[in-house]
Amino acid sequence: GEDVEQSLFLSVREGDSSVINCTYTDSSSTYLYWYKQEPGAGLQLLTYIFSNMDMKQDQRLTVLLNKKDKHLSLRIADTQTGDSAIYFCAERANAGGTSYGKLTFGQGTILTVHP
Amino acid sequence: DTEVTQTPKHLVMGMTNKKSLKCEQHMGHRAMYWYKQKAKKPPELMFVYSYEKLSINESVPSRFSPECPNSSLLNLHLHALQPEDSALYLCASSQERQQETQYFGPGTRLLVL
Repeated sequence: GEDVEQSLFLSVREGDSSVINCTYTDSSSTYLYWYKQEPGAGLQLLTYIFSNMDMKQDQRLTVLLNKKDKHLSLRIADTQTGDSAIYFCAERANAGGTSYGKLTFGQGTILTVHP
Repeated sequence: DTEVTQTPKHLVMGMTNKKSLKCEQHMGHRAMYWYKQKAKKPPELMFVYSYEKLSINESVPSRFSPECPNSSLLNLHLHALQPEDSALYLCASSQERQQETQYFGPGTRLLVL
């Protein structure tokens, strides 16, 4: 079945870049997502990448996808204290079967930004 | 507008109570989801509705009963819950079940005493 793994913690200084990594197992994934969750809040969609892309940039966010290694990363440039949150990587199950459309989440990476 | 709303924000209930959680979206999405999330864990899928019909039930206990009265609304009826059911309940919607991104609501934080 599908499995998504992330490192649990990342600590950076304000102004530095943050890189959050994710690995997945389902080679037929079509979309991969990054969600942000602040304390006590729901999940906010940050960005997503289609599996035929290598990179996607959106303001301070850069997503890199290495499909051969099944590795996804999220880089946050000029990290701010407001970026402190849990970041979830998720893949969408491939077509067919009862899991069609189901998201598989990683365990989440807790990003702490120090002033 | 990519907003999914959920009410109430917080809910405390006893094990003999009956309560309902409500979710609403006005984006014209035809797929709606319920997730359960424990602290510092990823969301776990509970139910998926597609075109107002239940399409996925992830073996959820019958004390949780979903309902989709129309394409904009999704309810989760709760009865005889256990303390271990205390969690953040998240609703999400997407344009279709088979495609498109899921947008999440802010969640209802449930405490079962």
